[in-house]
Amino acid sequence: EDKVVQSPLSLVVHEGDTVTLNCSYEVTNFRSLLWYKQEKKAPTFLFMLTSSGIEKKSGRLSSILDKKELFSILNITATQTGDSAVYLCAEQKNSGGSNYKLTFGKGTLLTVNP
Amino acid sequence: DGGITQSPKYLFRKEGQNVTLSCEQNLNHDAMYWYRQDPGQGLRLIYYSQIVNDFQKGDIAEGYSVSREKKESFPLTVTSAQKNPTAFYLCASSIAPRIQHFGDGTRLSIL
Repeated sequence: EDKVVQSPLSLVVHEGDTVTLNCSYEVTNFRSLLWYKQEKKAPTFLFMLTSSGIEKKSGRLSSILDKKELFSILNITATQTGDSAVYLCAEQKNSGGSNYKLTFGKGTLLTVNP
Repeated sequence: DGGITQSPKYLFRKEGQNVTLSCEQNLNHDAMYWYRQDPGQGLRLIYYSQIVNDFQKGDIAEGYSVSREKKESFPLTVTSAQKNPTAFYLCASSIAPRIQHFGDGTRLSIL
């Protein structure tokens, strides 16, 4: 059973639309929830969320964490073709001592058409 | 500029051959990680290292080996025991438990 579940797995929208990407995770040894954007090569960091209910914002992107319901959402407003990418959600756990591991979901493939 | 350098970008492996993927970072990060990514899949952890001369298996370590002799370097060897090595391999580093930063990856294929 997948521990980090993202939905939808793929999404096609038109420029200017607003999209919401979802990520659910496990509670055991939870430390933080991270979002990355992957275009062709290296995933690039978007947000790290540790506290419930506090929205993090960067331009047209925003994200929030719900630690009671064990999920996070990533919102993108006024989408542009440059937003086309795979969006990865990852749960960071403390696996003992100074060991911190990331468990990734399968990602959401977002395609923004002109 | 500080960053993570993976080489080569593309690599081909023959049957029965071991190949080594390079990962070097000049960010002065203590922790380094190797992930495998298959089409339509997220990243799966192969090995990670929190300090020099120490490393731990991740979720899919079988058929892989690593070493951490220097803080800057964390090479991954894909051995002949790995029967399905075709994938995109990503290296990352961090000052644990902070954000992991990724290299540009190595794409490994079978000849």
